[in-house]
This record gives sequence, structure tokens and C-alpha cells, in this order.
Amino acid sequence: NAGVTQTPKFQVLKTGQSMTLQCAQDMNHEYMSWYRQDPGMGLRLIHYSVGAGITDQGEVPNGYNVSRSTTEDFPLRLLSAAPSQTSVYFCASSYSGRGSSYNSPLHFGNGTRLTVT
Amino acid sequence: QQQVKQSPQSLIVQKGGISIINCAYENTAFDYFPWYQQFPGKGPALLIAIRPDVSEKKEGRFTISFNKSAKQFSLHIMDSQPGDSATYFCAARGNTGNQFYFGTGTSLTVIP
Repeated sequence: NAGVTQTPKFQVLKTGQSMTLQCAQDMNHEYMSWYRQDPGMGLRLIHYSVGAGITDQGEVPNGYNVSRSTTEDFPLRLLSAAPSQTSVYFCASSYSGRGSSYNSPLHFGNGTRLTVT
Repeated sequence: QQQVKQSPQSLIVQKGGISIINCAYENTAFDYFPWYQQFPGKGPALLIAIRPDVSEKKEGRFTISFNKSAKQFSLHIMDSQPGDSATYFCAARGNTGNQFYFGTGTSLTVIP
């Protein structure tokens, strides 16, 4: 049982390049989300999805796009990378369509460390 | 604007001591308050959670104390162990159920 799998683990981009961070879960979770973790800022929600075909913005969505064509996958796209997007990115999923509940916590992947030069 | 304020930023405790991490919030619509534990190179993992209609929840050495009127909640780690050394995040769920707001994290070091 793999849980939440994120690829790649590390990535270096030049300003203006584009890339897609991959996230896959094998737990049949309805809810999936992307966070960025920055020193002194905690985790901030970028985008989330409550099911295939449904996405919505979180706290810090600018510069990022998402789509949810299947239950299992929720890729995060950076269209034109900027140094301000240097961060550690976490994907998280939950069984509950309400994002999490007392019986359905958020399951996090191990992150992608992105550096934009 | 930080929706959930967490303190301290770092904490050093002797083995066997009590670790206390505090969080405060303003939005009274928050309806679920989890704590996450994160080890280096790993994603956060749920440690313990509480509803706002409960004042205390205990699971083993970990206890959440919740003060609804003060809009504050705290994590207490009793008999702290070196293996507890990690970063701890408090969080709160918004009333739509789909957005979580995390504190800025506390780096806990337990000295043997």
C-alpha cells in the first residue's frame, strides 16, 4: 500500500520554465490537495479537489494550475516558474469529501523540494 | 494574515519533561482542530485531533487542551522522549470543510 506518492523528490528549475509535480494516491480518496511549506510560514493550501473533475483555489493559488481527471491523480502545474515558488510542496488526500474528519485524517506524501533559480 | 498563530517557534525539553505548544485562532467558524507531527524529509502525519465542543482529549502521552471562549488550544506531550523530536503543526478546518489553515510550526528537541 503506497499511500500518497509524489514525484519527483527534488527539482531545480530556471526562472520561466514550466513543470508538473505529480501526486498519486491508491486509497480511493475523494479529497486531494496541494500545500507549500516555507520556513516560518507553516503549510499553506494552494489548490484542492473534492472529486474527479472538481477543483478549487486555496490560500495561495497564483502561479499554479491543477486538474483532476481521475480519482487517483492530482498534478500541480507551474506554468512559468519564479524564485518565489522555491518551496517544499506536499500533496495530501483524505477519504472524506469534506477534506478530513475525525475518522479520516489528511494523508501527506513525502514532498517535492523545488528550487527556482 | 496567519489564521492560526502558533508558539513557540522552537522548544528544547529534557527527556521526561513536559512539552507544551500553544495555538490561537480568530475564526469561530473553525470546526476541527488537528495536530500534525513531521519528521525531517517526511510529510506531516496526524497526531491527535479535537472538536470544539470538547475541552480535552488524551491519547497516550499526548493531550490537547481546548479553550473555546479564549479561542486557544494547546498540545501537551507528557514524559517527552528523544523520539518525539520533530516539528509540530496545529491546524484548523474552515467551515466549508475543504480548507485547512496551519500554524507556523514548532521545532521540538528532546535532550536525552
